Amino acid sequence: GENVEQHPSTLSVQEGDSAVIKCTYSDSASNYFPWYKQELGKRPQLIIDIRSNVGEKKDQRIAVTLNKTAKHFSLHITETQPEDSAVYFCAASMRENQGGKLIFGQGTELSVKP
Amino acid sequence: GAVVSQHPSRVICKSGTSVKIECRSLDFQATTMFWYRQFPKQSLMLMATSNEGSKATYEQGVEKDKFLINHASLTLSTLTVTSAHPEDSSFYICSASGSGRAGELFFGEGSRLTVL
Repeated sequence: GENVEQHPSTLSVQEGDSAVIKCTYSDSASNYFPWYKQELGKRPQLIIDIRSNVGEKKDQRIAVTLNKTAKHFSLHITETQPEDSAVYFCAASMRENQGGKLIFGQGTELSVKP
Repeated sequence: GAVVSQHPSRVICKSGTSVKIECRSLDFQATTMFWYRQFPKQSLMLMATSNEGSKATYEQGVEKDKFLINHASLTLSTLTVTSAHPEDSSFYICSASGSGRAGELFFGEGSRLTVL
């Protein structure tokens, strides 16, 4: 089955700096890669996603890149703010018409210091 | 947007008792629901996939007789933790997808189970 590896497990940056989180996946059939932000005790919130027919996607300060050949994808957050502090999870799935199960990475605890 | 509601948000029970957690899709028909478990400072681990009207598919290592999943309607799935033990204490989160939703998953608020 699918296996998703995520690095780093913790990341500390100064406010205004960029943060990059990387993930690799094992199943070449996976074609949907969402990123979630989770605050303590709350549900994961989708922040951006990318499908396998696209190499890069950007939404304001957040961008995701996908390298299908190497089977890795990355989250880039620019101009970080203290409110970006949270745990971030990548995930991978095979998206059929109604969606496939998501397999999550181990998570990255991002701390943005003011 | 699509809303998935989970209840209860917190539950404390004695060891040996059973606990039921409900997951409802409020404004769409959820043909597929997924149940995850999350231990403190860890990732979301998929427990099982349930499709309306059929038996759930459990992930390797998840005891189907201990974690009973029922998906009797297109808006409701339940997870029952039977004969709960302290090691079952965790954050349980459901997610749902439905037809016409482009495959996107929507998460419930999660249920914090504490077994004494």
